[in-house]
Amino acid sequence: ETGVTQTPRHLVMGMTNKKSLKCEQHLGHNAMYWYKQSAKKPLELMFVYNFKEQTENNSVPSRFSPECPNSSHLFLHLHTLQPEDSALYLCASSQETVGRAETQYFGPGTRLLVL
Amino acid sequence: AQSVTQPDIHITVSEGASLELRCNYSYGATPYLFWYVQSPGQGLQLLLKYFSGDTLVQGIKGFEAEFKRSQSSFNLRKPSVHWSDAAEYFCAVVAFSGGYNKLIFGAGTRLAVHP
Repeated sequence: ETGVTQTPRHLVMGMTNKKSLKCEQHLGHNAMYWYKQSAKKPLELMFVYNFKEQTENNSVPSRFSPECPNSSHLFLHLHTLQPEDSALYLCASSQETVGRAETQYFGPGTRLLVL
Repeated sequence: AQSVTQPDIHITVSEGASLELRCNYSYGATPYLFWYVQSPGQGLQLLLKYFSGDTLVQGIKGFEAEFKRSQSSFNLRKPSVHWSDAAEYFCAVVAFSGGYNKLIFGAGTRLAVHP
């Protein structure tokens, strides 16, 4: 596997379910990101991890819970979601977060539908 | 505040025609700029980036972009569009906020290509 991978690619869940999204990067990067992409809205940054430490929680509701066990893996744990949380969730990685010349590389996304 | 504006939500061109997608940014210092492309159901793929130096930047798939500081623009161009270029295109600028750098995305331009 190369680049940034995400599983599952599609997920349908009820509002009472608990599920997790997984992201893995094979680029040797130290920073990882979760973004939310909803229809007709710009990409929204949700969380940032740099060297496994969370450096940003962009006012995301607590029903979204990130986990970064190491620099290569990032999870997004989901529980008691709402239908408006249906979106494409994108993971990205970069070498670090503090260099201005950092380029973020994106995974293919997980298409989430909350019923 | 830093921002990116993509004035055109939808653009339709004929295959073989030239293309220009507009991007205007608001940033106080020298900007670091990106163009990403997103095919339906996919993540974002980096087309090109500008950090410094030559203001005309070459990217993948025959795309180029020109940085014009006086106009705060970073327009994306392609001399001859192929049907496979139909996708959504996002311009982004790096902004320093909360102690780290983050990408600020425009709302995107959806490109349709007529045969």
